[in-house]
This record gives sequence, C-alpha cells and structure tokens, in this order.
Amino acid sequence: DAKTTQPPSMDCAEGRAANLPCNHSTISGNEYVYWYRQIHSQGPQYIIHGLKNNETNEMASLIITEDRKSSTLILPHATLRDTAVYYCIVRLPNYGGSQGNLIFGKGTKLSVKP
Amino acid sequence: EAGVAQSPRYKIIEKRQSVAFWCNPISGHATLYWYQQILGQGPKLLIQFQNNGVVDDSQLPKDRFSAERLKGVDSTLKIQPAKLEDSAVYLCASSLHPGAPHTDTQYFGPGTRLTVL
Repeated sequence: DAKTTQPPSMDCAEGRAANLPCNHSTISGNEYVYWYRQIHSQGPQYIIHGLKNNETNEMASLIITEDRKSSTLILPHATLRDTAVYYCIVRLPNYGGSQGNLIFGKGTKLSVKP
Repeated sequence: EAGVAQSPRYKIIEKRQSVAFWCNPISGHATLYWYQQILGQGPKLLIQFQNNGVVDDSQLPKDRFSAERLKGVDSTLKIQPAKLEDSAVYLCASSLHPGAPHTDTQYFGPGTRLTVL
C-alpha cells in the first residue's frame, strides 16, 4: 500500500502557484520523497525528489517539513499543460533489490483553469 | 536523449487470445520495470529486471503473464491467455542503475493501452 496521503483533486488558476500537499507521517529516516505526474494518455513523468532539504529544479520546488512527515510540491507559475495527476511517493533508494520500488497511490488530480 | 520506447501504443484483442508488448529502455539503463495501470488507479509494478535477470516478479500473475529481457536491453511482456480484467495500460520504465537516488530514478514510456473484449 502507498505510504502517502494526498487530496484527490485540486484546482489552480493559470499563472498562479500550485501547491500540492502530501502527508507521509510514517516515513523512515532513509526514505526519499518523490513526485511524479501523469498527463492524460501519457506515462508518469519524474518531477523531483528530496530527502530532508528543500529542492528546486526547472520544473518545481519541493518543500519538506522539518519532521519530514509532510511535503509540498510547488509549481510556481502553473500553465494549462500542468493539468495532470500528481503522485507523491516515499521510497528507499534501490540498492539492487526490490526494496526501492515505486508504490503509487491515486494521486491528486490538478486542474489548471484559464 | 531518446526516452523509453514502447509498442504498440494500442491493442484490442478478444479474451483468451495472446498479446505481446515491447519495450526499449533508455540507452545504458540497466534496470527495467513493467507496470500495469488499471483505469483510475496508479501504476502497479509487475516485474523488475536488473540487466537480464529478474529482481522482483512477486506481483506478476505467472499463470498467464511472462516477461523476458534476454540480452539485457529491450524486453517483451506477454499475456496468454488474456482475460477481461487485463484491460489496462502497460507501462515500461527504466533507470540507470541501483545505488543512489540520482541513478535509480525511473523514467517511463508512453504505455500500451490494452482492451480485452
């Protein structure tokens, strides 16, 4: 079972920041937080990951609380093309076995509206 | 850099028929995964290969599903015979190699949508 809890849906106005929350209260010390998104009829797309520090790349920012029990993915200026299902996943690094496999929940359906 | 390639993109078959899906991972990626995604749900891992060896196939229904990665590069997933409940999108993903988050991040292909009638 997925170890994360996400709201089933959210709306965001085009051009505004989209803040997608994720709860992972049972995360262990060496588990990472990963975010993927899936645009309709496409495969999941990797966005970002982090352990305990905040992370930023060209797609998004990831804010992880100090106790690591929750995180927020931020899309700073959402566009219509950001409409997708966003998955928050906690996982161990893969050291060659199956322990680091991705376990997807149902994610958050983000709708960006004009 | 080319992404993960999958074919066909769509397939419609009758129940009890067989079907095969093909995946070509990102060049140089040692680890390959097959996932099943039923409508309205997140992807579920079926099988994981490391080079040409199986690492995890605990979720693969082995009475009807099989997969191989003979030369450690591309892979095929087969269903024989198909059931109605196999209707889903079959996704292939690959990662460079295990060991660290920046090398074992999974990248997904576009998927094959299977409809079983």
